[in-house]
Amino acid sequence: GQQVMQIPQYQHVQEGEDFTTYCNSSTTLSNIQWYKQRPGGHPVFLIQLVKSGEVKKQKRLTFQFGEAKKNSSLHITATQTTDVGTYFCAGTFGNEKLTFGTGTRLTIIP
Amino acid sequence: GAVVSQHPSWVICKSGTSVKIECRSLDFQATTMFWYRQFPKQSLMLMATSNEGSKATYEQGVEKDKFLINHASLTLSTLTVTSAHPEDSSFYICSARDSVSLTDTQYFGPGTRLTVL
Repeated sequence: GQQVMQIPQYQHVQEGEDFTTYCNSSTTLSNIQWYKQRPGGHPVFLIQLVKSGEVKKQKRLTFQFGEAKKNSSLHITATQTTDVGTYFCAGTFGNEKLTFGTGTRLTIIP
Repeated sequence: GAVVSQHPSWVICKSGTSVKIECRSLDFQATTMFWYRQFPKQSLMLMATSNEGSKATYEQGVEKDKFLINHASLTLSTLTVTSAHPEDSSFYICSARDSVSLTDTQYFGPGTRLTVL
């Protein structure tokens, strides 16, 4: 079946350092969405990318969608303690169902 | 923004009992809602797609007779875990898609943590 992989599984960074998580699919995605889930919480929608090569920014967060629409990345500049959580990408493959990536758990060392 | 609520937020029950979880879209209509399950430190796995006024579509490996889904109105879907067992203990999360919106954005509920003793 269609799967979406994310790397790394875990990332520990010093506060102020940058962080990047990568999302890969074996087949072409219709769109990719990114979510953040705080410990004990539920996924919160961050952004959706639709176009090939699309880049979107939200303050310190930069989201990219690959030219082939098979990969995506989320980059956080100068991490803060509030960035702690698990970041999931989720893609659609021509229908409305979301396939979630495996997630990257970010911890910040103050 | 669009808000989705879930009730209860947590439930503890004895093995063999049935548990009903409600998912409501509070300020928009949702012809389609989704039910996910998340085990500790794992990703969200889609269980089923709930369609208003019709039968739910279940993902492969999900028992439709064990996880009963009813989507009787445009703002409410329910998931009933029948004859729950300890292996059903998990975090159940629903999401709803705005019927009017042109995007695929799904709005997630806060989740229901089920513990079966």
